[in-house]
Amino acid sequence: DVVMTQTPVSLSLAIGQPASISCKSSQSLVHSDGKTYLSWILQRPGQSPKRLIYLVSKLDSGVPDRFSGSGSETEFTLKISRVEAEDLGVYYCWQATHFPRTFGGGTKLELK
Amino acid sequence: QVKLLQSGAALVKPGDSVKMSCKASGYTFTDYIIHWVKQSHGKSLEWIGYINPYSGGTNYNEKFKSKATLTVDKSSSTAYMEFSRLTSEDSAIYYCARGGLGFWGPGTMVTVSS
Repeated sequence: DVVMTQTPVSLSLAIGQPASISCKSSQSLVHSDGKTYLSWILQRPGQSPKRLIYLVSKLDSGVPDRFSGSGSETEFTLKISRVEAEDLGVYYCWQATHFPRTFGGGTKLELK
Repeated sequence: QVKLLQSGAALVKPGDSVKMSCKASGYTFTDYIIHWVKQSHGKSLEWIGYINPYSGGTNYNEKFKSKATLTVDKSSSTAYMEFSRLTSEDSAIYYCARGGLGFWGPGTMVTVSS
């Protein structure tokens, strides 16, 4: 199985600070069709998960542009330019290139 | 708008089975696969498998292959997951999600206890 390793495990930031979360995969996530099926998902406290980004860097509808995704092959990054209160929760990366699909262990974003 | 409505919480005994549902609305049900994802208390997410509502074809995580059975009823736009031979390790919230996890249901909490 492809192992998705997220760092850091937790992040404590003040409103307005930037955030950066890393996700590294044990294999390249480039599919035979040329696309890289790496998504970022946020689970706010007490809520269902919600996808923010797909195909490494494409923002889902309604996701603020303070979020951005980047990376290639085995290393990926989610950045928040300025953290807001609604951004707290647990962030997961998810790969859909290989079977079985796998998630990272999660990064908990807390507000200072 | 896209909605996935999941069945309510279930309390089941060890060794029993549970069948949960995920009713889709707001889009053409057969156009997108449905994933099922497990979240044990306070833990990360695990992919169980997916079903293609158009063909009925499935793909399972080997870990859950002998545990989960995915089906659909196209006439009611509903996906089902049956979990069998339940143990305490199966106590969790189970989510259905559309396509590339672009839309998620609210989850079904399953508690396995005697």
